[in-house]
Amino acid sequence: EAQVTQNPRYLITVTGKKLTVTCSQNMNHEYMSWYRQDPGLGLRQIYYSMNVEVTDKGDVPEGYKVSRKEKRNFPLILESPSPNQTSLYFCASRSLGVGFYEQYFGPGTRLTVT
Amino acid sequence: GDSVTQMEGPVTLSEEAFLTINCTYTATGYPSLFWYVQYPGEGLQLLLKATKADDKGSNKGFEATYRKETTSFHLEKGSVQVSDSAVYFCALSEGTGTASKLTFGTGTRLQVTL
Repeated sequence: EAQVTQNPRYLITVTGKKLTVTCSQNMNHEYMSWYRQDPGLGLRQIYYSMNVEVTDKGDVPEGYKVSRKEKRNFPLILESPSPNQTSLYFCASRSLGVGFYEQYFGPGTRLTVT
Repeated sequence: GDSVTQMEGPVTLSEEAFLTINCTYTATGYPSLFWYVQYPGEGLQLLLKATKADDKGSNKGFEATYRKETTSFHLEKGSVQVSDSAVYFCALSEGTGTASKLTFGTGTRLQVTL
């Protein structure tokens, strides 16, 4: 089954404790992206990647890091989490090329930073 | 920059009622327009799309028409069901392929009751 998986689904942590949220897709997609969803703000892009070893900032990259060492994986790293990073996070992937390619979303990771 | 404006929610309807969720956009070029749906506890799924003016996207009884003159893409359904209860996001993407980043509205929660 074609899917995007994220782990963990729920995470409660404390300020300053480094964490990683994993994302993996099995569709051989070149493009992967991280979003955060906050009430009244919709989804905002954090980082994206066009292919292995190619990453770039989205609209709200501060406080986050990513890496793309393998095509299928795109982990989101919070080196020193703060309470304003409490949010619902989604990973997404799609093919690249001319024309429209649907973006597939993972089930989300709800992060609480106390 | 690009932006998407949706009506505030929640929208509460009785089963079999007519649904309209308004969406307007601002873009510099000729975007593609999308509606995504998020069921409780799940990631976003593409509901329908339209890639040029006057196109009508449709799926699962939902429809939306790309109106360039009013910069709108309102979502409609003639008879909603309890199973349609979800959050609906309007989104746009300018360009195709590598250039196509999604910009989302804030989302509209729909609650359908018996």
